[in-house]
Amino acid sequence: DGGITQSPKYLFRKEGQNVTLSCEQNLNHDAMYWYRQDPGQGLRLIYYSQIVNDFQKGDIAEGYSVSREKKESFPLTVTSAQKNPTAFYLCASSIFSSQETQYFGPGTRLLVL
Amino acid sequence: AQSVAQPEDQVNVAEGNPLTVKCTYSVSGNPYLFWYVQYPNRGLQFLLKYITGDNLVKGSYGFEAEFNKSQTSFHLKKPSALVSDSALYFCATYNFNKFYFGSGTKLNVKP
Repeated sequence: DGGITQSPKYLFRKEGQNVTLSCEQNLNHDAMYWYRQDPGQGLRLIYYSQIVNDFQKGDIAEGYSVSREKKESFPLTVTSAQKNPTAFYLCASSIFSSQETQYFGPGTRLLVL
Repeated sequence: AQSVAQPEDQVNVAEGNPLTVKCTYSVSGNPYLFWYVQYPNRGLQFLLKYITGDNLVKGSYGFEAEFNKSQTSFHLKKPSALVSDSALYFCATYNFNKFYFGSGTKLNVKP
C-alpha cells in the first residue's frame, strides 16, 4: 500500500448525511481513481482524474462527487443521494500511461448507521 | 468493449501443489494485462503485468503468468502453493485511461 494513504479506515454514515473519504499519494502520480468493492463483485470505477482540476465519471458515479485541487489529493464525497453506500472504497493512482501499474491504498470501509 | 473474465469464484489447492488461477480477456488492440492480489480488508497489491515481449511473465512472490494470444488467456500460476498465498486474486486490463477488473477468484491453500 506504500505511498497512498486513505482515511479513515472505517466510516459510519447516518441517513441523509454526506461523508468524505480522504485519499493522498506521495508518488507524484498524475492519475488517481476511486473504486467501490462489494462482496463477491469486482472493483467498479466511480471517478477518475488524469490531471489537476479535471476528472471524469466512471461506471457508477451517481451519488458521488470528487475534487482534484492538488496532484496529491483526490477526496471522494458520498452524498445522501447514494442510497446504498455500504461498501469498501479503494483509491488508486498511476503514472498517466497505458503501461503503468496502478497502486492502491489500504481502503475505507463505509457503513450506514 | 474491454473486459476480463475470471471463470472461477474459488480455487482450492493443497500446500505444495501447483496452482492456476484463470483469466480470459476481450480487448481491442494490444492487451495490457495485470494480476493483483488482495488480502482481507486491504488494498490490492500488484503481482505482475504483460505489456509486450515474452509470453511468460514472472512477478512477485514466485507467481508467473502466461499470455496466450490464441486462447485469449492470461492465467496466473505458481509451481508450489503456500498457505500464505490464500487471498483474493484479480485479473485486470487497461484501455483508454481506465482499468477493467475481473470479478475476482478466491484462492484457498490448505495445509
